[in-house]
Amino acid sequence: DAGVIQSPRHEVTEMGQEVTLRCKPISGHNSLFWYRQTMMRGLELLIYFNNNVPIDDSGMPEDRFSAKMPNASFSTLKIQPSEPRDSAVYFCASSLTGSSQPQHFGDGTRLSIL
Amino acid sequence: GENVEQHPSTLSVQEGDSAVIKCTYSDSASNYFPWYKQELGKRPQLIIDIRSNVGEKKDQRIAVTLNKTAKHFSLHITETQPEDSAVYFCAASITGGSYIPTFGRGTSLIVHP
Repeated sequence: DAGVIQSPRHEVTEMGQEVTLRCKPISGHNSLFWYRQTMMRGLELLIYFNNNVPIDDSGMPEDRFSAKMPNASFSTLKIQPSEPRDSAVYFCASSLTGSSQPQHFGDGTRLSIL
Repeated sequence: GENVEQHPSTLSVQEGDSAVIKCTYSDSASNYFPWYKQELGKRPQLIIDIRSNVGEKKDQRIAVTLNKTAKHFSLHITETQPEDSAVYFCAASITGGSYIPTFGRGTSLIVHP
């Protein structure tokens, strides 16, 4: 079991640059979640996909953030343009849907916007 | 929507003591309650979960209890060890349909040797 795979593990970039975070969910899982974690705000749900379709994106902070899931094995979270306040750890998680199934988290991407 | 409150935010205990973390939820339709442990710099990992048809569940030194009437659930860790030091998150969700868990704000547990 390879688990949820995220890349990159660390990203440091200057404000204004485009940032793309990537996630490969566990094979067979049909739900995918993107979270942002900071000391101030804790673990925030950004967007939830079910069967590759965005179901709830109410947590996406603003239009600078976008997420896609072109197929069952890949998702991206893009920030354009990036700002220093976007600095956080971004987690992707996947799970089965329709029953009491826990989420499996990736190792996260630590993003620093200078 | 669902609201999950978690207390305390920080818990400091001596090695060997017990630790209890409590969560309350607002939506009576919630029926699945997982607990995650996040060590420093690592990802949250499931340590135990409970479903609404069960009142208590144990796994070695950890246990979770659920009171559906009062809408609260708790994590109990006995004989704490330094490696139990981590942030613990509770969550609540309604299974089936749009499964979106609501997380508590987390409890930082510090176990002193």
